[in-house]
Amino acid sequence: SQQGEEDPQALSIQEGENATMNCSYKTSINNLQWYRQNSGRGLVHLILIRSNEREKHSGRLRVTLDTSKKSSSLLITASRAADTASYFCATERTGANNLFFGTGTRLTVIP
Amino acid sequence: DTAVSQTPKYLVTQMGNDKSIKCEQNLGHDTMYWYKQDSKKFLKIMFSYNNKELIINETVPNRFSPKSPDKAHLNLHINSLELGDSAVYFCASSPTEDTEAFFGQGTRLTVV
Repeated sequence: SQQGEEDPQALSIQEGENATMNCSYKTSINNLQWYRQNSGRGLVHLILIRSNEREKHSGRLRVTLDTSKKSSSLLITASRAADTASYFCATERTGANNLFFGTGTRLTVIP
Repeated sequence: DTAVSQTPKYLVTQMGNDKSIKCEQNLGHDTMYWYKQDSKKFLKIMFSYNNKELIINETVPNRFSPKSPDKAHLNLHINSLELGDSAVYFCASSPTEDTEAFFGQGTRLTVV
């Protein structure tokens, strides 16, 4: 079964607005990562947050991690049309070095 | 320079055929992976491999087999292809545990 669930499944916003995506997972993790996938393309790594970290920033991205709730959120501020893509969270479980992906959020940013 | 490259990008083949997808990484990473993305965009690990250990997801049929001629390559062989094998297959690599993974552009396999 999938390691994580993401919500919403789809999100449509106006350019300039903020977008928030949530991810929940089930097991102990080493880290949680967020990836972006443009239509028909490969996955691009956005940010990695380790289990002992609570918040991380990278440019317009802000990621939080709550290990007690087994959840994470990705915030994209001041969205752009070019941010339109699918966003996946992925967890690296304790004792394993492969990734378990969430179900993904399809983000559409309307110019 | 492409970090993780897969060939072919598209593969259309008939049921029952045997096919291979090649993957190469020029990052010097120790571990390589194969992931499958189905029509609903679910991504699942199929294999992870380094020079010490092959870890197979138990849900992967034994018609699928990874072959690693050297540290920079992990090819995926599929025997007796079935319609349900149609998906996008992604190769990836990472230097070690607890780091990001680098993905190839994917191979869209269509079995007819």
